[in-house]
Amino acid sequence: GAGVSQSPRYKVTKRGQDVALRCDPISGHVSLYWYRQALGQGPEFLTYFNYEAQQDKSGLPNDRFSAERPEGSISTLTIQRTEQRDSAMYRCASSLAGMNEQYFGPGTRLTVT
Amino acid sequence: GIQVEQSPPDLILQEGANSTLRCNFSDSVNNLQWFHQNPWGQLINLFYIPSGTKQNGRLSATTVATERYSLLYISSSQTTDSGVYFCAVERMNAGNMLTFGGGTRLMVKP
Repeated sequence: GAGVSQSPRYKVTKRGQDVALRCDPISGHVSLYWYRQALGQGPEFLTYFNYEAQQDKSGLPNDRFSAERPEGSISTLTIQRTEQRDSAMYRCASSLAGMNEQYFGPGTRLTVT
Repeated sequence: GIQVEQSPPDLILQEGANSTLRCNFSDSVNNLQWFHQNPWGQLINLFYIPSGTKQNGRLSATTVATERYSLLYISSSQTTDSGVYFCAVERMNAGNMLTFGGGTRLMVKP
């Protein structure tokens, strides 16, 4: 596609439910990143992949958060047993490879009630 | 980790005015990007500028990597320039993630 796409754009879920957020990177981009952005702040790194390999997951807040990219293209960020503090904008970015310009998708606004 | 500080935190301009936004960072970097987050929440790439100077229309940016700062210049500002401007850096030898500054919130009044 022309840019990074994410779905759903908005997700409202009840506390305790699991959610899966999807990212489709720019075609041909090797590296894919997940960030989380709280209101009024800049995005914060969660995890990233080169091809299908998860290179760094140091930013994932706890073991309720996980991510995968099984075929080296589309990625899914999963949050289990959601809590209200998980409410935020979740952004995905991709780049041709590491140390290259990153392009961001429109984000998924997650609200946990 | 690396610290990224942006100034000023808030800026109000009259349409047509010029401004300079600053980004200081605390360590050597491979990558520096400037983004504009518009009022609809989109993060738009402005510059990929780990060093040197670039210009794109009314915007230009300069990064002095040896002194660990970058500047974003906006000339003849327009109301559509309103939003939040973020600087983000990729620390050298520390993985490929971006660390963002706190942003400069710009409002341009007609």
